[in-house]
Amino acid sequence: DAGITQSPRHKVTETGTPVTLRCHQTENHRYMYWYRQDPGHGLRLIHYSYGVKDTDKGEVSDGYSVSRSKTEDFLLTLESATSSQTSVYFCAISPGQGSSSYNEQFFGPGTRLTVL
Amino acid sequence: AQSVTQLDSQVPVFEEAPVELRCNYSSSVSVYLFWYVQYPNQGLQLLLKYLSGSTLVKGINGFEAEFNKSQTSFHLRKPSVHISDTAEYFCAVSGQSTNAGKSTFGDGTTLTVKP
Repeated sequence: DAGITQSPRHKVTETGTPVTLRCHQTENHRYMYWYRQDPGHGLRLIHYSYGVKDTDKGEVSDGYSVSRSKTEDFLLTLESATSSQTSVYFCAISPGQGSSSYNEQFFGPGTRLTVL
Repeated sequence: AQSVTQLDSQVPVFEEAPVELRCNYSSSVSVYLFWYVQYPNQGLQLLLKYLSGSTLVKGINGFEAEFNKSQTSFHLRKPSVHISDTAEYFCAVSGQSTNAGKSTFGDGTTLTVKP
């Protein structure tokens, strides 16, 4: 299994509070992604990173920010959590070009976030 | 840009019966195609992938899929399912020149295998 961990695994918070989710990898993969999973919507990309300090927006980035100061860590921050951000959040990683697994994504176990 | 449509949101089937989960995609460029499986309370894991070559791709746990370029489809099949195949299945597409290896995922198909 790819070495990807997410923390925390479960979190309950209140509307308006900041929340940071952490993704940590031990594979030295170049690309990292944050998705949210909601019933009937599959996986939607929030933000992704293509290198240290290089990030870009996905399709549902409003209300979220990210940072990647080291290859192995990718942080997702909800600046002021809202109930609509209640979801399961998945981190994924992917190697760069030249790998036989290029474009394949490896997923973490997920973080279940509830915003009351 | 790419898009993926999984034609069935839920597929119930009896144990040892065959199953097909349907996936159509849309893209203006050549693509890579993937099927992922998600068991309850877990992340996704790769079942199989099509990159190039033979259009019939075999994956783990006895699953296979066929790439049909003219019909822009990538349907997943298994000749005989087990209770343990109960899970959610996601089809995904990635453009061969896509920046940062991004994939677009379908909404998922829940496969329920009944005894």
